Amino acid sequence: ETGVTQSPTHLIKTRGQQVTLRCSSQSGHNTVSWYQQALGQGPQFIFQYYREEENGRGNFPPRFSGLQFPNYSSELNVNALELDDSALYLCASSFPSSSYNEQFFGPGTRLTVL
Amino acid sequence: GDSVTQMEGPVTLSEEAFLTINCTYTATGYPSLFWYVQYPGEGLQLLLKATKADDKGSNKGFEATYRKETTSFHLEKGSVQVSDSAVYFCALSMNTGFQKLVFGTGTRLLVSP
Repeated sequence: ETGVTQSPTHLIKTRGQQVTLRCSSQSGHNTVSWYQQALGQGPQFIFQYYREEENGRGNFPPRFSGLQFPNYSSELNVNALELDDSALYLCASSFPSSSYNEQFFGPGTRLTVL
Repeated sequence: GDSVTQMEGPVTLSEEAFLTINCTYTATGYPSLFWYVQYPGEGLQLLLKATKADDKGSNKGFEATYRKETTSFHLEKGSVQVSDSAVYFCALSMNTGFQKLVFGTGTRLLVSP
């Protein structure tokens, strides 16, 4: 069974550019969530995709957008990059159950905005 | 809104010492509670979980009990090892609607030989 994978591992961009991060969910999982983890902080929820539709969003501006594909892999797109977007971006997959939500995380993509 | 508060770190211990990392939460309902661990340069790994009041989650010698009366989920281990050095995150997830994780700010644990 393959776990959650993310690409690329590291990325350096300049302010104003656009970036796309990719995530492959764990086998059998149809839900993908994205989190932003700034240095020294806990992860903050960006949004969640379920069966190719966004079904929940955190307090992030519209320049953060995403996609989920029929194979349940996902992309996170960030437009007009700002210095504060520098962070570790984590993807997590899950299969919603009736009792709790156990999410499995990938290793993350570290984005540096100069 | 829902939130998680963790004790600030770093927590510095000698090998074989007893560990407690405090975690309290605020939620409008009855969440599931989690402890995640993050080793240097890696993503998050689920350490343990509890889905209802009085449940005890345990894994790899770590334990935490879901206390509804004190809204707490403190992490404990009887004897830490150097390999336990990492950042520990307490988190909650509501069991209705779309299910997102709300994390605390993390507590860094440093264990010396």
